[in-house]
Amino acid sequence: EIVLTQSPGTLSLSPGERATLSCRASQSVSSSYLAWYQQKPGQAPRLLIYGASSRATGIPDRFSGSGSGTDFTLTISRLEPEDFAVYYCQQYGSSPPRWTFGQGTKVEIK
Amino acid sequence: EVQLVESGGGLVQPGGSLRLSCAASGFTFSSYWMSWVRQAPGKGLEWVANIKQDGSEKYYVDSVKGRFTISRDNAKNSLYLQMNSLRAEDTAVYYCARARVGAHGYFDYWGQGTLVTVSS
Repeated sequence: EIVLTQSPGTLSLSPGERATLSCRASQSVSSSYLAWYQQKPGQAPRLLIYGASSRATGIPDRFSGSGSGTDFTLTISRLEPEDFAVYYCQQYGSSPPRWTFGQGTKVEIK
Repeated sequence: EVQLVESGGGLVQPGGSLRLSCAASGFTFSSYWMSWVRQAPGKGLEWVANIKQDGSEKYYVDSVKGRFTISRDNAKNSLYLQMNSLRAEDTAVYYCARARVGAHGYFDYWGQGTLVTVSS
């Protein structure tokens, strides 16, 4: 079973700053099967990135994803007040179909 | 507009049963894999189960195998999760999610969630 480890656990930044979130897999993951979600308190997760680097519908271009193999990154170029939230990476295994999430990175206001 | 609305959560004693429902609208329900994902209080996300478009394939996380059953009724645009032999560690918000399976694997729409509390 692939384990996803996200770092840091908490990121304290100010609006306007750049956020770089890491997701490391215990073994190689197909880029096609790596996604990122945003979750705000009391809300359901929202898909941000799929296929490691493709933005979901309606997601601002300040969000970008990159990486391959075991190391993936979510970058928020300039933090807006609404971006302070918890972010999860997720990988999909196709045989059999199953999903695994990282433990999350909280982006908080400094 | 895609909408997923869960219902059926509540307080149940350990060893008890509960059936969750998810009403889907705004898309062709029968064309998509569907899943349940849960989140224990203050914790991260955990995929629970998923079901193929026609219900012919079902998969579960190991911790719920033999206790939970996922099903769907395409005529009613509804997804279900029958939960038996519930344990305290099953306490969580349960989300219904539309799954994109094939070239990619992700959840593109989520419901608002329904809380299941297992406690005596």
